Amino acid sequence: DQQVKQNSPSLSVQEGRISILNCDYTNSMFDYFLWYKKYPAEGPTFLISISSIKDKNEDGRFTVFLNKSAKHLSLHIVPSQPGDSAVYFCAAYSGYALNFGKGTSLLVTP
Amino acid sequence: DTAVSQTPKYLVTQMGNDKSIKCEQNLGHDTMYWYKQDSKKFLKIMFSYNNKELIINETVPNRFSPKSPDKAHLNLHINSLELGDSAVYFCASSQGGPRTDTQYFGPGTRLTVL
Repeated sequence: DQQVKQNSPSLSVQEGRISILNCDYTNSMFDYFLWYKKYPAEGPTFLISISSIKDKNEDGRFTVFLNKSAKHLSLHIVPSQPGDSAVYFCAAYSGYALNFGKGTSLLVTP
Repeated sequence: DTAVSQTPKYLVTQMGNDKSIKCEQNLGHDTMYWYKQDSKKFLKIMFSYNNKELIINETVPNRFSPKSPDKAHLNLHINSLELGDSAVYFCASSQGGPRTDTQYFGPGTRLTVL
């Protein structure tokens, strides 16, 4: 029963362009969302988060948008860089536990 | 100077064996976690300890037993290993209670059961 869904397993973007990664959730009780980035053979690392009282949070090249009515959030990376190539996980808190999506593999090509 | 470390990084073993994975965090965090990433790439919570006390115990076979000797360590012991236990196991830690801003993850332990 996957409560956090990332329906695009992969995304390829040219360097300098915008990368948009999408995430949907089903549990309306979720009120805090996070994006994690993962390189091969490493653990996930925190990227950016957003509380449900906001609809946007920005940190440098990374912006997360939250649409509560649609139960949808997205991560925008502008401009995309080759070093951004990684798997991106969307996650939401349920109590102490993070519920993760399946991840989207982003490839930024030169 | 690793914040969350796990040993071993790779573990290959036979069915039926008992094995342990160790986790240590030097961040001074109160809460530690074990997650499992299966072959379908889903990352799922298994256990969580807060100040050495078990606070999350998801539907995990009782062959899996977490042990927290102190706040900085949360080890995972697995008895009678089965093929389906093959996965990557991630340890994580965070400061404080629910909806903490950031969980810090270890590099993972890839367990292969033959």
